[in-house]
Amino acid sequence: DAGVIQSPRHEVTEMGQEVTLRCKPISGHNSLFWYRQTMMRGLELLIYFNNNVPIDDSGMPEDRFSAKMPNASFSTLKIQPSEPRDSAVYFCASRLRDTVIRTGELFFGEGSRLTVL
Amino acid sequence: DQQVKQNSPSLSVQEGRISILNCDYTNSMFDYFLWYKKYPAEGPTFLISISSIKDKNEDGRFTVFLNKSAKHLSLHIVPSQPGDSAVYFCAGNYGGSQGNLIFGKGTKLSVKP
Repeated sequence: DAGVIQSPRHEVTEMGQEVTLRCKPISGHNSLFWYRQTMMRGLELLIYFNNNVPIDDSGMPEDRFSAKMPNASFSTLKIQPSEPRDSAVYFCASRLRDTVIRTGELFFGEGSRLTVL
Repeated sequence: DQQVKQNSPSLSVQEGRISILNCDYTNSMFDYFLWYKKYPAEGPTFLISISSIKDKNEDGRFTVFLNKSAKHLSLHIVPSQPGDSAVYFCAGNYGGSQGNLIFGKGTKLSVKP
């Protein structure tokens, strides 16, 4: 069974450019999370969706960041315009929102490493 | 305002000895806690969890202890192996399976042969 799939794995762009990161969650999972990893802040939750609906976007740093989930099998995280301080590894994760299974295990993708010059 | 704190950025242990990774939290609403392990260039992977109503959970070489009064949990790895060298993240979950996970900054464990 395929895991969480993220693309691109690496992105190098110049300041001011638009960046779009993509995620395909595990089939059947109905919660999707975007995290950002930096040395200073560790793994920060940016936003998460339940059944394609954004539940908590309080971690989105600025209006330059936006996330969408048009259907159960696809999500995007967009940064426009990008800045050097956005350089980080962005992880997408998914899990099954089930009232019985309570382990809360998230399955992570391999991440998208973004470098903004 | 960090809800989950891992105060040791790194830990070095000899192979065969015990590794103890610590985690403190401030949010009393966390209903369970999880440990994730991360190798370079890979996503974090789930290691072990514990419900907030338990004080211990064991899985093979890995044991997690929870002290609710102290708002502290720890991960014990016995015996430590070189393949355990990775970054370990502690996370607190609230809102059940409909909620989200808040992670600490991680502790880098190095197990020396």
